[in-house]
Amino acid sequence: DTAVSQTPKYLVTQMGNDKSIKCEQNLGHDTMYWYKQDSKKFLKIMFSYNNKELIINETVPNRFSPKSPDKAHLNLHINSLELGDSAVYFCASSSMRVGGEKLFFGSGTQLSVL
Amino acid sequence: GENVEQHPSTLSVQEGDSAVIKCTYSDSASNYFPWYKQELGKRPQLIIDIRSNVGEKKDQRIAVTLNKTAKHFSLHITETQPEDSAVYFCAASKGGGGNKLTFGTGTQLKVEL
Repeated sequence: DTAVSQTPKYLVTQMGNDKSIKCEQNLGHDTMYWYKQDSKKFLKIMFSYNNKELIINETVPNRFSPKSPDKAHLNLHINSLELGDSAVYFCASSSMRVGGEKLFFGSGTQLSVL
Repeated sequence: GENVEQHPSTLSVQEGDSAVIKCTYSDSASNYFPWYKQELGKRPQLIIDIRSNVGEKKDQRIAVTLNKTAKHFSLHITETQPEDSAVYFCAASKGGGGNKLTFGTGTQLKVEL
C-alpha cells in the first residue's frame, strides 16, 4: 500500500555507466518530482512533471533525462554516470488542486558511483 | 529565485527542553511554508505547514510562527523526546500544487536523555 514507491533502493555502479530509477504513485496525484539529496543532506529539486508535462527543470546536466509515461509514473535515466552523481534521489508527488502542496516522498534511491 | 536560509545547522537539547529552528526566505511572493522531518535513513515527511494569511499554527507539541514583514518563520518543539531526534527542513513556495518548493539546508536535532 506504499503511496510513492521507487526502485531500486540501492544502486551501485561504475563511472560511465547508464542507469535508471523508477517511481510510481498510487495517490491519484497529478504532479511528480525528482529531488536530489547530497551528502550534506541538502534537498534540491531537479524536475517536476504535471500530467506528463515537464513544468520545472532546474539546472541539471542533460545526462539526466526524466520520463513520465503517465501521471502515476516518473522515471529518471542517467547517462555516463560521474562520481559527483552519488547521492540519494527522492521521487515525490503532490496535487495541483488548491491546498494540495504537501509532498509525499518515496523511500529514496541511494546511488553510489565508484 | 527563492532562497531559504535555516539555522542552526545542529541543535542538541536535553529531553523535556524546547527546541527552536529558524528560517528566512527571500521572495516576498512566497506564501506557503511547510516543515519536514527526516529520520535517519528515511524519507522526509511533512509535520506542519503554515500559509501567509496565518501568523501561528500549533499541533500538539509543535508550533510554527510566521512573520511576513520580516520574511522569517520558526519551528518550535516543546517537551522534546528522543524520537524527535531527526533532521528538520523548512521550505517555502508560492503555494498551489506544482509550485517549486525551495528547502532550507536542514537542522540536525539531537535530543539527549
